[in-house]
Amino acid sequence: DIQVTQSPSSLSASVGDRVTITCRASQTIGIYLNWYQQKPGKAPKLLIYAAYSSQSGVPSRFSGSGSGTDFTLTISSLQPEDFATYYCQQSHSSPRTFGQGTRVEVK
Amino acid sequence: QVQLQQWGAGLLKPSETLSLTCAVYGGSFSGSYWSWIRQPPGKGLEWIGEVNQSGSSNYNPSLKSRVTISLDTSKNQFSLKLSSVTAADTAVYYCARGFRGRTSSWYDYWGQGTLVTVSS
Repeated sequence: DIQVTQSPSSLSASVGDRVTITCRASQTIGIYLNWYQQKPGKAPKLLIYAAYSSQSGVPSRFSGSGSGTDFTLTISSLQPEDFATYYCQQSHSSPRTFGQGTRVEVK
Repeated sequence: QVQLQQWGAGLLKPSETLSLTCAVYGGSFSGSYWSWIRQPPGKGLEWIGEVNQSGSSNYNPSLKSRVTISLDTSKNQFSLKLSSVTAADTAVYYCARGFRGRTSSWYDYWGQGTLVTVSS
């Protein structure tokens, strides 16, 4: 199985901050990497697919980068509605696997 | 606009079979794979498996012996069955559409989630 490891597991930030979350795959996966946002009691929401493509309707402050084994999700200016948990997910191989999540909290 | 609506029993006893159904509105089964993903309380996401438009399925090896995912194209629905459940299977279960793009694949539509609790 391909393991995906996110860091950090949690972070505290303020509105307006630039936030960066990283995801590392245990083997090369090209750009088969997606990012999701999940709020309490809700289903995950797709933010970024294929490493750097933004899902329709997602604010431009969210961006993704990387390829191979190392990937990054960046929120350029954190907004109040962005406090949530973020997951990366690899779709290169079965079983599909998710990172353990990064919780973004209010500082 | 694709919508997924799911339902099924929320409380099971150990050894029973979990059964959930997901209805697909506003889309066809072609070009996508239809998946189940679960999330134990307070924990991360675990992929259970998927079925494609042809009815061919693929499962997480950790659950493979107990899982069946099937498709009913006449009703625009797909289903999950997980046998011999234990407390470790307590989780919110989500159905999701896996879209295959040119360079990758991703889950773009999700059901609302169903909390399944296994308790004697």
